[in-house]
Amino acid sequence: DAKTTQPNSMESNEEEPVHLPCNHSTISGTDYIHWYRQLPSQGPEYVIHGLTSNVNNRMASLAIAEDRKSSTLILHRATLRDAAVYYCILFRRSGNTPLVFGKGTRLSVIA
Amino acid sequence: DSGVTQTPKHLITATGQRVTLRCSPRSGDLSVYWYQQSLDQGLQFLIQYYNGEERAKGNILERFSAQQFPDLHSELNLSSLELGDSALYFCASSGTALSSYNEQFFGPGTRLTVL
Repeated sequence: DAKTTQPNSMESNEEEPVHLPCNHSTISGTDYIHWYRQLPSQGPEYVIHGLTSNVNNRMASLAIAEDRKSSTLILHRATLRDAAVYYCILFRRSGNTPLVFGKGTRLSVIA
Repeated sequence: DSGVTQTPKHLITATGQRVTLRCSPRSGDLSVYWYQQSLDQGLQFLIQYYNGEERAKGNILERFSAQQFPDLHSELNLSSLELGDSALYFCASSGTALSSYNEQFFGPGTRLTVL
């Protein structure tokens, strides 16, 4: 079965880059890697997704290992508003169906 | 505001009872997903509907059922409730195509407390 592993928590200083790792060693060739985050008292929100190549958007960058068994979400300059739980999720390519949710990494940002 | 609405916001009920949670997806979204978030289990995918048809099942108990109506709103029915069913229940919706390029938009959740 597909599985993702993330550190329980991480801490960053404000305006510093943050690298959030995710291990998904059992990923299949057609699974997409998605990242969502959940701010306190809110529902999760989409951050970024990718398949094989590194991806950038206005929120973050996603670096995917060549063998696709791990990925790293990069927040280039952490702000206090980035304090949240970050989930790495594998999605089945066909049907946009979530396969596996990790337990998430709780990111704390220190001013 | 994600555009996904969920009612009620809070629900308190007793063990053995049955409740219905309601979700209205973003305008135009055909897929609806239900998730359960409890303290010890994290976020768990329950079930997905696409344009009225069940698309995929996750860790949904037999006591739970869902449906998506012609107007695309969805309901999650939880019956024979147990203390362990106390959790936040999220609904999410995504776009018109069954593609993994579609991000999901989550509602604010319904907090269920079973006493």
